[in-house]
Amino acid sequence: ILNVEQSPQSLHVQEGDSTNFTCSFPSSNFYALHWYRWETAKSPEALFVMTLNGDEKKKGRISATLNTKEGYSYLYIKGSQPEDSATYLCAFGAGSNYQLIWGAGTKLIIKP
Amino acid sequence: GAGVSQTPSNKVTEKGKYVELRCDPISGHTALYWYRQSLGQGPEFLIYFQGTGAADDSGLPNDRFFAVRPEGSVSTLKIQRTERGDSAVYLCASSPGQGAREQYFGPGTRLTVT
Repeated sequence: ILNVEQSPQSLHVQEGDSTNFTCSFPSSNFYALHWYRWETAKSPEALFVMTLNGDEKKKGRISATLNTKEGYSYLYIKGSQPEDSATYLCAFGAGSNYQLIWGAGTKLIIKP
Repeated sequence: GAGVSQTPSNKVTEKGKYVELRCDPISGHTALYWYRQSLGQGPEFLIYFQGTGAADDSGLPNDRFFAVRPEGSVSTLKIQRTERGDSAVYLCASSPGQGAREQYFGPGTRLTVT
């Protein structure tokens, strides 16, 4: 059974502080790792698709790293803003038809 | 351009009834995915279409669930004899093709079975 774990489950961060959270995934048969942001009442929004061990990707104040050998990815948010409040989901791409196996998400709440 | 749309946004139905959930993918996207998200969990894969055919329906929980994509664009997820355990957010996503590509999601349909 393929399992994707995210921690912490929820996180309260003061506005302006930086934060990070973790996605753990199977280290065998790796194909790609996706990060999404999901705000309430909106569609999940793709942040990154990462395929190479050691990959680092950045979009504005958000960045992510990938370690496929040990099976983890970190998402970092620098200088948190209220608009960063959302649930951050990671998904592991697997299988010949490329199903996404999802974690349960980290719910981030930024306190003004 | 238009993103992925899903209708209805909310559906309340009685146990035992039949429901249809619709997904309009981004024009030109050949891959279409259905997921289901229950409270406190991540999305769970249901079915994947490449064009008109269901390339992988291994995630459908039982034979009450069925999905079609007859012309390779719009897809309908059909649930017969609904049960309270079917209550969830049903998400649809489309992608330009198979593999390590971004999947573009609709806003989901929240199904409540009473």
